[in-house]
Amino acid sequence: SQTIHQWPATLVQPVGSPLSLECTVEGTSNPNLYWYRQAAGRGLQLLFYSVGIGQISSEVPQNLSASRPQDRQFILSSKKLLLSDSGFYLCAWSVFPLTQYFGPGTRLTVL
Amino acid sequence: DQQVKQNSPSLSVQEGRISILNCDYTNSMFDYFLWYKKYPAEGPTFLISISSIKDKNEDGRFTVFLNKSAKHLSLHIVPSQPGDSAVYFCAARVDYGGSQGNLIFGKGTKLSVKP
Repeated sequence: SQTIHQWPATLVQPVGSPLSLECTVEGTSNPNLYWYRQAAGRGLQLLFYSVGIGQISSEVPQNLSASRPQDRQFILSSKKLLLSDSGFYLCAWSVFPLTQYFGPGTRLTVL
Repeated sequence: DQQVKQNSPSLSVQEGRISILNCDYTNSMFDYFLWYKKYPAEGPTFLISISSIKDKNEDGRFTVFLNKSAKHLSLHIVPSQPGDSAVYFCAARVDYGGSQGNLIFGKGTKLSVKP
């Protein structure tokens, strides 16, 4: 069966510090991978998606970047965090553009 | 412009009764709709989906209805249980060309089921 992991589960970072969130998927090959953010009181906003290694599409202009160095690894990064980057970050996978399955999420607080 | 709308931010229902969660959409190119359930500090869990060629899909206590002419779908939970208390997200997939079929989510409805 497929499993998706995210870490860390929670993170508190000062403004201006770098960020690296990691997501890995097990039990499937060549999945589509996604990064979402849920800000307080808001829905799920798609940040990035990837259909293959090295292929990243950005949905919104922002302070973040994403990379996919391996088939089942998806990384969300920032060089300098802003207060507005606080939120709940979710990684998801799908096989072809069908049902997406989400990881447990990372709670990021930028102080 | 919000293409998927969940106009009720919250809903409170008595245990054993029916919960009806509503979702409206504006894009007629959506071909696939999904409902997700989310507990605090956890990732959303897929619940049920429906293709645009159908008007009803049922899975146990959960039924999704689709009214294409009204661009409206709803999730019925019968009977409601306290464990159903969560935020429910409606999502729609648009599948044209190179969009990769990304999902567009509503803002969610918080369901509270009271014992």
